[in-house]
Amino acid sequence: DTEVTQTPKHLVMGMTNKKSLKCEQHMGHRAMYWYKQKAKKPPELMFVYSYEKLSINESVPSRFSPECPNSSLLNLHLHALQPEDSALYLCASSQVMQGSTDTQYFGPGTRLTVL
Amino acid sequence: GNSVTQMEGPVTLSEEAFLTINCTYTATGYPSLFWYVQYPGEGLQLLLKATKADDKGSNKGFEATYRKETTSFHLEKGSVQVSDSAVYFCALIPSGGYQKVTFGTGTKLQVIP
Repeated sequence: DTEVTQTPKHLVMGMTNKKSLKCEQHMGHRAMYWYKQKAKKPPELMFVYSYEKLSINESVPSRFSPECPNSSLLNLHLHALQPEDSALYLCASSQVMQGSTDTQYFGPGTRLTVL
Repeated sequence: GNSVTQMEGPVTLSEEAFLTINCTYTATGYPSLFWYVQYPGEGLQLLLKATKADDKGSNKGFEATYRKETTSFHLEKGSVQVSDSAVYFCALIPSGGYQKVTFGTGTKLQVIP
C-alpha cells in the first residue's frame, strides 16, 4: 500500500480565516513533506519533517505553519493567507534510509482558493 | 546545483502512436531518477524509477533507462491511449537519506482518438 491521503480535497477561505490541511500515511514512512503547486508548474518544496522534527523550511512565510503530531500525520495550518497563495497543496512521504534514496509518494492534494 | 530539463509540451499524439518524452539531468554523484504522472485535477503518481546507471524502470507499458553517459532518462511507450493524457514530470533525488526532489518543468501529453 503506497497511499497518502489528504483532506479536504477542496478548500475556499477568506483572507482572515484560519484553516488546516491534513495529511496521513500508514506506510511507516518517517519523512513527510509539504509542496505547493501552481498551475502548469512543478511542485515546490515548502517543508520537510523527519522523525517528527522540522528538517527543512524553504523560507516559507509564517502564515503557513506546519505541524507533525505523530509519525503518520502532517498538518498545515493556514492563517491570513493572500489570494496568491491559491494553489494545489501536495503532501508526500518517504522512508528515511541512510545510504539510499527515498522514493517520495504523493497524496491527491488539496485545491486551495483564497478569496 | 541539480537540474532537470524536459522537452517542451504540449505533445499531441494519435491513439496507438509511439511516445518519447526527453529528459536530461545535471547532478553530482549518483542520483535516483523518477517519472511522475499527474492526471487532470489530481496529485502526482509515481510512474517508474531507476536508482543506478543502466537500470530500466517500467510500469503500465512505460519504460525509461538510466543513461549515465548521456545523463538522460527518456520516457517511452510503444502505443499510447487516450487515458495516458496527463502531465509527466521527470525528477531526480540525490543519494543519501531524504533529499529535496528536483523536478523538470513537466510535459503535457494529449492523446486524441
